[in-house]
Amino acid sequence: GDSVTQMEGPVTLSEEAFLTINCTYTATGYPSLFWYVQYPGEGLQLLLKATKADDKGSNKGFEATYRKETTSFHLEKGSVQVSDSAVYFCALTVGGGFKTIFGAGTRLFVKA
Amino acid sequence: DTAVSQTPKYLVTQMGNDKSIKCEQNLGHDTMYWYKQDSKKFLKIMFSYNNKELIINETVPNRFSPKSPDKAHLNLHINSLELGDSAVYFCASSLNSFVRQGAGYTFGSGTRLTVV
Repeated sequence: GDSVTQMEGPVTLSEEAFLTINCTYTATGYPSLFWYVQYPGEGLQLLLKATKADDKGSNKGFEATYRKETTSFHLEKGSVQVSDSAVYFCALTVGGGFKTIFGAGTRLFVKA
Repeated sequence: DTAVSQTPKYLVTQMGNDKSIKCEQNLGHDTMYWYKQDSKKFLKIMFSYNNKELIINETVPNRFSPKSPDKAHLNLHINSLELGDSAVYFCASSLNSFVRQGAGYTFGSGTRLTVV
């Protein structure tokens, strides 16, 4: 079945460090891929997305590239801030489906 | 002008009670969802409605009954609440044709249900 696997957290970084959160997927068909972010006490917010192979999604300094050959969609940011502390979810939706499958989430702590 | 609003935000109730959570979206989306988030932040889909029609009904106890009076509303009623029902319940919506192209979901802020 379709699934998403992302690296376990928590990830703890100092401010201005480089961030990578790994995400790999298994899917039938051609999924759209997403990263969502959840700040404490809030719902999930769409951070970025990519709908086909080699697409790069980007938003707020975060980037992820849809790699079909490695079935991956790793999240990166060049310089994290304390305000980036949150839980990050990788997710996929298979085209034509009504269901989005989420990874287990990766908690990020950024220290000043 | 909240896009997806859920009420109540917090719900504390005793085992065996019946409770409802309401969700409304003003985005003109045609598909709405209920997700359950456990204490480890794992998100699991429960139900999906498209234009008031049930599309997805995952393995959820039949104590949980969704109702969609129109495509802007999706409510969740839970009978005979159990301790294991304690979780955060999120409503979400999407425009289905755009989901196929990857527009993503808009989530509500969640309802934290605590069963004591």
